[in-house]
Amino acid sequence: NAGVMQNPRHLVRRRGQEARLRCSPMKGHSHVYWYRQLPEEGLKFMVYLQKENIIDESGMPKERFSAEFPKEGPSILRIQQVVRGDSAAYFCASSRDRRETQYFGPGTRLLVL
Amino acid sequence: QKEVEQDPGPLSVPEGAIVSLNCTYSNSAFQYFMWYRQYSRKGPELLMYTYSSGNKEDGRFTAQVDKSSKYISLFIRDSQPSDSATYLCAMKRETSGSRLTFGEGTQLTVNP
Repeated sequence: NAGVMQNPRHLVRRRGQEARLRCSPMKGHSHVYWYRQLPEEGLKFMVYLQKENIIDESGMPKERFSAEFPKEGPSILRIQQVVRGDSAAYFCASSRDRRETQYFGPGTRLLVL
Repeated sequence: QKEVEQDPGPLSVPEGAIVSLNCTYSNSAFQYFMWYRQYSRKGPELLMYTYSSGNKEDGRFTAQVDKSSKYISLFIRDSQPSDSATYLCAMKRETSGSRLTFGEGTQLTVNP
């Protein structure tokens, strides 16, 4: 039973480019969460999605960041016009429903040059 | 003030020692408490999941929650070098979504 899958595992972008991070939840899970881990800091919640719906985006920066979880395919976290401060590890987690345990993927490490 | 406080360490112990990791929190609305282990350059892995106050044991790991003191602990008995990792406490409210609020993490090294 495959766990949460994220790709790419490493992503290098130049300032001003776009970054697209993908997350495939565990089989049977329809709830997806994105967290960001900045260097020397803990994980910070960004957004919570259920299929085709954004449930809670209170942790998402107001500009340049967006997320989606379409009916078919993986969840996408999109960062437009990246800046150096976006360099971080981005983790996706999934759960069967909102009350159950969240299982994390291996993360995507974004480096902005 | 952070909602969840966790001493980042680093904490270094000899193999076989009992390790105590702790978090305090300020928001009494937290009802679910978790401990995750994160190896370097990997994703967090769930170790323990508890609801409200009390103790929970799983092998060498024991989680304690004291809601009256807003204090949670993770104990590791007979620690092994393979336990060397960062340990993150996490909490969740009963309602208003499913976001986890994490502590900063404690870096643990178990020396052989």
